[in-house]
Amino acid sequence: QSALTQPASVSGSPGQSITISCTGTSSDIGNYNLVSWYQQHPGNTPKLMICEVSKRPSGVSNRFSGSKSGNTASLTISGLQAEDEADYYCSSYAGSSTSVVFGGGTKLTVL
Amino acid sequence: EVQLVESGGGLAQPGRSLRLSCAASGFNFDDYAMHWVRQGPGKGLEWVSGISWNSGSIGYADSVKGRFTISRDNAKNSLYLQMNSLRAEDTALYYCAKDNRFYDSSGSLDYWGQGTLVTVSS
Repeated sequence: QSALTQPASVSGSPGQSITISCTGTSSDIGNYNLVSWYQQHPGNTPKLMICEVSKRPSGVSNRFSGSKSGNTASLTISGLQAEDEADYYCSSYAGSSTSVVFGGGTKLTVL
Repeated sequence: EVQLVESGGGLAQPGRSLRLSCAASGFNFDDYAMHWVRQGPGKGLEWVSGISWNSGSIGYADSVKGRFTISRDNAKNSLYLQMNSLRAEDTALYYCAKDNRFYDSSGSLDYWGQGTLVTVSS
C-alpha cells in the first residue's frame, strides 16, 4: 500500500491550464479505471471532483477533466480561476477488501 | 440531504483505545460501502479502512491493521471505528465518507463528514 505520487506543488496564472499528475502502480491505477480526484480548500472537507478517471459528479465545472495512461492519471484544470487555488488529491481503488490509496496531495497556486 | 456526523474523538494516551461513530442520514445507508479517512495536522489524506454494504468485505491500511476494527450497523445507519493500541502517529482528523457506487465499492468518496479530532498524547 504505497501512496500514489503527486507533485508537491503546481502553479498557473488565471485563464491558463494546468495538469497535475498522479503515478501509481499496476496494482492500483494501472489495474482499475477507478481513479478519483478531490479538491480541498483550507479548513474545508475534501470535495469529489472526478471519479472513474474522467467522470464529473453533478455540479462540478467542466473546466475540470481527468485522464489516465498506464499507471499514471492526470487532472487538468482549464481556464484557471482564483477559487481553484486549493490542495488536490488523487486516489485509486486498490483491489480487494474495499482498499483505497491516496496521493500525497498537490498544492495549486493561482498566481 | 446526505449527512455524515462523526463523534467519539478526543484525547487519548498512547496504548489506550477510542471508538469513533458516524451517524448517516439522507440516503439508503445499507446500499453503500463506507470508509474512514484521516488527515494528520498539516498533512495529506490517508485512507484508513473501508467496509462493504453488507460487511462482507473489509479492508485496512497497513498502518492500522491489527489495531483498528471497522464495523457498521445498518439498522442504526451507523459506521464505527474501534481504535486500539493508539500511537502518537494516529493523531489526526478522522473523516467518515460514503462510497459513490451502489452496493459495490469504487473507492470514490462523494460525501464526507466534518470529521472528529483524535489526539494521542501522554
